[in-house]
Amino acid sequence: GIQVEQSPPDLILQEGANSTLRCNFSDSVNNLQWFHQNPWGQLINLFYIPSGTKQNGRLSATTVATERYSLLYISSSQTTDSGVYFCAVENYGQNFVFGPGTRLSVLP
Amino acid sequence: ETGVTQTPRHLVMGMTNKKSLKCEQHLGHNAMYWYKQSAKKPLELMFVYNFKEQTENNSVPSRFSPECPNSSHLFLHLHTLQPEDSALYLCASSGGSPGQGDTQYFGPGTRLTVL
Repeated sequence: GIQVEQSPPDLILQEGANSTLRCNFSDSVNNLQWFHQNPWGQLINLFYIPSGTKQNGRLSATTVATERYSLLYISSSQTTDSGVYFCAVENYGQNFVFGPGTRLSVLP
Repeated sequence: ETGVTQTPRHLVMGMTNKKSLKCEQHLGHNAMYWYKQSAKKPLELMFVYNFKEQTENNSVPSRFSPECPNSSHLFLHLHTLQPEDSALYLCASSGGSPGQGDTQYFGPGTRLTVL
């Protein structure tokens, strides 16, 4: 099945810093989503982005499907951005596969 | 997000107990999913239902028994669980059929502890 890798596994930032999270996948996909899991376990949809670029406030994401990677950009980070960021992909007709996540800690 | 709700939010049970987890989606979706998230492991898909029919059982032990009475409700019946089954159990739904590239929306999860 499709493999999903995320980097870095852990990231510690000072409030106000910018960061880039990466997701690599091993096969073509028809679905790619970025999620933020808060400390209470809730998975919050950030982006549905199987290709192209999207922006939502301080967050933006880019997926280059032909090169099988996606990037999540967080600008001017805040302590509320802390948590685990997951990339998940779906290959045509296959099930949703999650990456291992990037654990982000934003310090005040 | 309140489109997908799960109850209870927390559950502690003994190995001989029988309990059920409930998921309800208010989004008009046709597909529903159960995922398991153990400590320090990626989310693992357990079961998939499409239009109330089970389409995927990802080698889940029989002590986990899913039930989907209609497209809006999904249950996970638990019996004779083991301590290693302690995890966060997440429910999700999507508008299109599984594998068709539709966005999945997740509930808040049930944190299960098996003593």
